[in-house]
Amino acid sequence: DGGITQSPKYLFRKEGQNVTLSCEQNLNHDAMYWYRQDPGQGLRLIYYSQIVNDFQKGDIAEGYSVSREKKESFPLTVTSAQKNPTAFYLCASSGAGFGYTFGSGTRLTVV
Amino acid sequence: GQQVMQIPQYQHVQEGEDFTTYCNSSTTLSNIQWYKQRPGGHPVFLIQLVKSGEVKKQKRLTFQFGEAKKNSSLHITATQTTDVGTYFCAQNNAGNMLTFGGGTRLMVKP
Repeated sequence: DGGITQSPKYLFRKEGQNVTLSCEQNLNHDAMYWYRQDPGQGLRLIYYSQIVNDFQKGDIAEGYSVSREKKESFPLTVTSAQKNPTAFYLCASSGAGFGYTFGSGTRLTVV
Repeated sequence: GQQVMQIPQYQHVQEGEDFTTYCNSSTTLSNIQWYKQRPGGHPVFLIQLVKSGEVKKQKRLTFQFGEAKKNSSLHITATQTTDVGTYFCAQNNAGNMLTFGGGTRLMVKP
């Protein structure tokens, strides 16, 4: 079955540590996105990519980095520069003009 | 950038009662999408509305797009406990970029 796989489901980060969240899709979608969701809040766009080897900053890109070396993969790195990284991270993909398909998310906690 | 405002933020209903959430924009929208996120889950795409005045139904859910394409609503008839979750509208910007509303959290008392 086609879909988006995010891993890990839960992640704990120490202060000053970089961590990478994985996002893989087999839907053959060109566009992929990363959103952050804080408890009881909406979704805020971190980064997006509409084609391989190209990506753009979203509304809250500071402290995050991404790469898009393959169509299927769009990993997100939460760097030590992100001062408040505890949140629920959602990856999504879309075909042209259609709704987004979301992964099941990664819950990141700073310890 | 453009933002869609969603109201109410929370809604408690008794099972069997109806529920409506509203999405409003100060500018004309090209189209609007609706998503549902169950507690602890991820958003799931429900529908996309494109045409002025469009009305679409999915079983007990009715979606409307305003005549001026500046507002939209989701109405659930006779809520069930399975309807619990947060409903988001999302405005579709250029290049299929979505900006999400803040969501309406629906709680249903059995």
